[in-house]
Amino acid sequence: ELKVEQNPLFLSMQEGKNYTIYCNYSTTSDRLYWYRQDPGKSLESLFVLLSNGAVKQEGRLMASLDTKARLSTLHITAAVHDLSATYFCAVVTYNTDKLIFGTGTRLQVFP
Amino acid sequence: GAGVSQTPSNKVTEKGKYVELRCDPISGHTALYWYRQSLGQGPEFLIYFQGTGAADDSGLPNDRFFAVRPEGSVSTLKIQRTERGDSAVYLCASSFGVGEKLFFGSGTQLSVL
Repeated sequence: ELKVEQNPLFLSMQEGKNYTIYCNYSTTSDRLYWYRQDPGKSLESLFVLLSNGAVKQEGRLMASLDTKARLSTLHITAAVHDLSATYFCAVVTYNTDKLIFGTGTRLQVFP
Repeated sequence: GAGVSQTPSNKVTEKGKYVELRCDPISGHTALYWYRQSLGQGPEFLIYFQGTGAADDSGLPNDRFFAVRPEGSVSTLKIQRTERGDSAVYLCASSFGVGEKLFFGSGTQLSVL
């Protein structure tokens, strides 16, 4: 059964700093998604990564996928307060469309 | 509509009662998913539909949970004999199809007293 783990679970960082969130998954997959969730809100899609070596960037966020290592990273560059939220990775089980979510990383950016 | 619509936004019920949660996906989206999210946790997969049929219902916790999508659009998640442990936010998502981005609704907060 596919397991998806993220670390860290909680991240408190100062504005202007860089950091990386890691997403590990346990079985073969060819699709990985990153979502953002603000408190009390639903999930907002950030990135869809479809192949080994895929890299996508939007503003201060950059996501990458290494299917051989079963690892995705979400890199935050020069963090700002508006990035404070919970970030989830989600992986599709190979040969199905069942999307399994990770544990989430709660990011807090302070001045 | 412009996005995935879920009703009601909040539902309070008593233990043992029956509840129905509705999801209206984005027009033209063939895939529809149900998830359950408890406080501080990631969304937990329940079931997904491709068109009218349930393609994978392996996440439904037990036979008290059932979902339908009779015309390939609106879906209803039905929970019988509710238990306090069923309290959570129930999220619905839809997409154009396999490999496409999922768009999530705002969820239904279910509270079983």
